Amino acid sequence: GQQVMQIPQYQHVQEGEDFTTYCNSSTTLSNIQWYKQRPGGHPVFLIQLVKSGEVKKQKRLTFQFGEAKKNSSLHITATQTTDVGTYFCAGKNTGGFKTIFGAGTRLFVKA
Amino acid sequence: DTAVSQTPKYLVTQMGNDKSIKCEQNLGHDTMYWYKQDSKKFLKIMFSYNNKELIINETVPNRFSPKSPDKAHLNLHINSLELGDSAVYFCASSLTPTGTFSPLHFGNGTRLTVT
Repeated sequence: GQQVMQIPQYQHVQEGEDFTTYCNSSTTLSNIQWYKQRPGGHPVFLIQLVKSGEVKKQKRLTFQFGEAKKNSSLHITATQTTDVGTYFCAGKNTGGFKTIFGAGTRLFVKA
Repeated sequence: DTAVSQTPKYLVTQMGNDKSIKCEQNLGHDTMYWYKQDSKKFLKIMFSYNNKELIINETVPNRFSPKSPDKAHLNLHINSLELGDSAVYFCASSLTPTGTFSPLHFGNGTRLTVT
């Protein structure tokens, strides 16, 4: 079945350092979504990528979708303590009903 | 106004009991889901309903039975609770199940603890 792998599992950074999480699917995806879950909270949708090679930015966050539509990354520039949380990628196959989540990357930011 | 609301927020119960979790969304979405998040934060889909019709039914013990009385409501009943059922259960909704842009909107979760 469809699998979405995400690394690293954890990342500790000093405030101001950059952070990247990577996502890789076993199958070609129709789209990939990214979610953020704050500690004790629920996943909140950040962005969706659809096109091969697509790059989108949200302030300090940069999202990429690979050319083969099987991998994606989220890069945060100059992390802040408010970036703390778990970042999930989630992929869906073309015409599929299921949104399959990666295992998440838990980001810790030290002030 | 809460978009996806689920109750209760916390549920502590003993092994062998039966319990229900309720979910309601006021977004006008057609599709609703139950996800289970374990202690390692894995989010695993359990069920999905599209306009009251079951469209996703993952490999979940048949002690778990979802029910959707209408497209705005999705409940989850769990029989004979086991220790391994302890987790956070998230309800979510999306506009459609297969639409080009149909992100998931999650409820606040129900933390179930089975003792």
